[in-house]
Amino acid sequence: AQTVTQSQPEMSVQEAETVTLSCTYDTSESDYYLFWYKQPPSRQMILVIRQEAYKQQNATENRFSVNFQKAAKSFSLKISDSQLGDAAMYFCAYSPLGSGATNKLIFGTGTLLAVQP
Amino acid sequence: GAVVSQHPSWVICKSGTSVKIECRSLDFQATTMFWYRQFPKQSLMLMATSNEGSKATYEQGVEKDKFLINHASLTLSTLTVTSAHPEDSSFYICSARPAGVEEKLFFGSGTQLSVL
Repeated sequence: AQTVTQSQPEMSVQEAETVTLSCTYDTSESDYYLFWYKQPPSRQMILVIRQEAYKQQNATENRFSVNFQKAAKSFSLKISDSQLGDAAMYFCAYSPLGSGATNKLIFGTGTLLAVQP
Repeated sequence: GAVVSQHPSWVICKSGTSVKIECRSLDFQATTMFWYRQFPKQSLMLMATSNEGSKATYEQGVEKDKFLINHASLTLSTLTVTSAHPEDSSFYICSARPAGVEEKLFFGSGTQLSVL
C-alpha cells in the first residue's frame, strides 16, 4: 500500500526567508503523481504544485519549487521569499496514474507552517 | 479554473437524524468524485470513491450503510450521513476529477458537520 510521510508537524519561517518542507512516500509503482496542497484557515484545499514522476525536472511555480528524488522517494517543497499569506497547513499527496477508483489521492499528515513578520 | 461547489458549508443536527451533503462540479463533467473526512488538525482521510452511474467504492473501515454516496450524474455526488451521532461530527470535503484528466483534482470548500 502507498503511504505518504511528513515528519515535520510544525515549521516556522521569517518573512522573506526560505523554508523547506519534507515529504517521503512509499510505492512500488514507477509512474505516479505527487502534489503539495495548501490548506489555509478557510480550509479550502489549494493546489500548490504538481510533479509527474516520469519527469526528472523538478517542478516550479513562482516562489514554490520541489526537490524530487525518485530513487529516495523524497519530495520536498521549498518556499522562497516567504510571505505572511503562506501561513497554512501543507499536505504532501500521492496519486497513482490511471482513472477511476484506483486513482485516489493519498495525503500525508501535514505540516503547519507559521510565517513570522 | 474549474469550480466545485459543496453545500452546505456547515450544518448542525440532532443525534439520530440524517444529513445530506452535495458536491457539484459547476463547469466540468466529473466521472469520479472523492469524499474525504478531516478531524481537527489532522489529515484528509479518504472515505469513498464514487463513479457516475455505479456503486461507490468505500475505504476499509468506512460503513457504507452509514455514509451513503450517490453519484447520479456527471456533475453531482451526494454524501448522506444516516442516523448521525456525535462521533460523526467532522469536516467533510469532496473532490472531483474532470473526465479524461487524471492528473487534476478540484476540491469543494468543505462541510463542517456538528451532531448534538
